[in-house]
Amino acid sequence: QVQLRESGPGLVKPSETLSLTCTVSGGSINSGGYYWCWIRQRPGKGLEWIGYIYYNGNTYFNPSLKSRLSMSIDASKNQYSLRLNSVTAADTAVYYCARDLNYADYAGLFDSWGQGILVTVSS
Amino acid sequence: IQLTQSPSSLSASVGDRVTITCRASQGISSHLAWYQQEPGKAPKLLIYATSTLQSGVPSRFSGSASETDFTLTISSLQPEDFATYYCQQLRSYPPTFGPGTKVDVK
Repeated sequence: QVQLRESGPGLVKPSETLSLTCTVSGGSINSGGYYWCWIRQRPGKGLEWIGYIYYNGNTYFNPSLKSRLSMSIDASKNQYSLRLNSVTAADTAVYYCARDLNYADYAGLFDSWGQGILVTVSS
Repeated sequence: IQLTQSPSSLSASVGDRVTITCRASQGISSHLAWYQQEPGKAPKLLIYATSTLQSGVPSRFSGSASETDFTLTISSLQPEDFATYYCQQLRSYPPTFGPGTKVDVK
């Protein structure tokens, strides 16, 4: 049973960079052909897909965030990371890492999720 | 692709039959999933491909579609089912979610 856990600062200042890491356990991040994703949920709002990274480093980002976004993967640590720069209060959210099954032709089928981490953007 | 859900919230009792509807702004074939989110927890995948139950999900949950509308049905509501339910389109990137339907205690 794969498990995911987010880590990183819970408070980021406006205009700075939000950095989060997801640690995967119970399975190798290199195996299975999965996409490793980030999804966020702003306070009282719905869910927003941020993007994914594949084991080989290929990425695909939500166009609404693409210009501020980067992701990386460290297979030796079974981790992947998110960096979102030039943050504003609108980036305050619970950030989830999740596994996308990359199944058939489905765009995003998320079967395993981290517990989520609240990141607040404030001075 | 935009998704709408109705109702936005509903009140029900244990044992009730509950139906939630999701509509897509364009055709998505059968590429729709449903998630359950309890307060303070991550979403949990319930159903994908409109009607395929994820492993371990109780059979009181079912999904169906009629023309442009997708439906999640809980045949007999249990105490652990009070939560918010989201639909998600799997047709194209970026995957998008509906605004959610909160099911609370009547």
